[in-house]
Amino acid sequence: EAGVAQSPRYKIIEKRQSVAFWCNPISGHATLYWYQQILGQGPKLLIQFQNNGVVDDSQLPKDRFSAERLKGVDSTLKIQPAKLEDSAVYLCASSLEVRTGPNSPLHFGNGTRLTVT
Amino acid sequence: KQEVTQIPAALSVPEGENLVLNCSFTDSAIYNLQWFRQDPGKGLTSLLLIQSSQREQTSGRLNASLDKSSGRSTLYIAASQPGDSATYLCAVAGANSKLTFGKGITLSVRP
Repeated sequence: EAGVAQSPRYKIIEKRQSVAFWCNPISGHATLYWYQQILGQGPKLLIQFQNNGVVDDSQLPKDRFSAERLKGVDSTLKIQPAKLEDSAVYLCASSLEVRTGPNSPLHFGNGTRLTVT
Repeated sequence: KQEVTQIPAALSVPEGENLVLNCSFTDSAIYNLQWFRQDPGKGLTSLLLIQSSQREQTSGRLNASLDKSSGRSTLYIAASQPGDSATYLCAVAGANSKLTFGKGITLSVRP
């Protein structure tokens, strides 16, 4: 099966600019996640979708970050305006069900590395 | 609030050595615990998942154990190989299935 696809792989922007990331999950996976991984840290969940509804966005900085999942498939994550501390790798992941488990493991994409200068 | 700790941050061993990676967590009310591998510039790959009712899981040269009462998990790698060099992350899923990750242990296996 094809994996989780993300683009772009790399992005360099200046602070206060805007940026968008795209994710295409594994076909049939109802649950989609966006994680932020700062260098030397573990991934932190930004937002979780079940189909096209939001399950958890408690750690999403909503004053500058937004995400949508139209038609319950692809998703985009946007940052506007970007700050220096947003420099990180943004990982998209998907799973078959809301609860990850033996029958519903988490699959990650390769991520988008964002550098804000 | 769940906190996951992995110490040390980095480890270097000679090829062939058996090794243990440790993970500790503060809240024992977990749904499952997962070990992931991350290669440079890549996403995470799931290695092993232990449900809260289980004690251990095995896959090839990897064995993960879980002791909920003490808030600990270990990942045992037998007969390490240079290809095992990567960052290993532990993650704990709470009742709401939300994963909390540790910072990872960067393993280097020397030929």
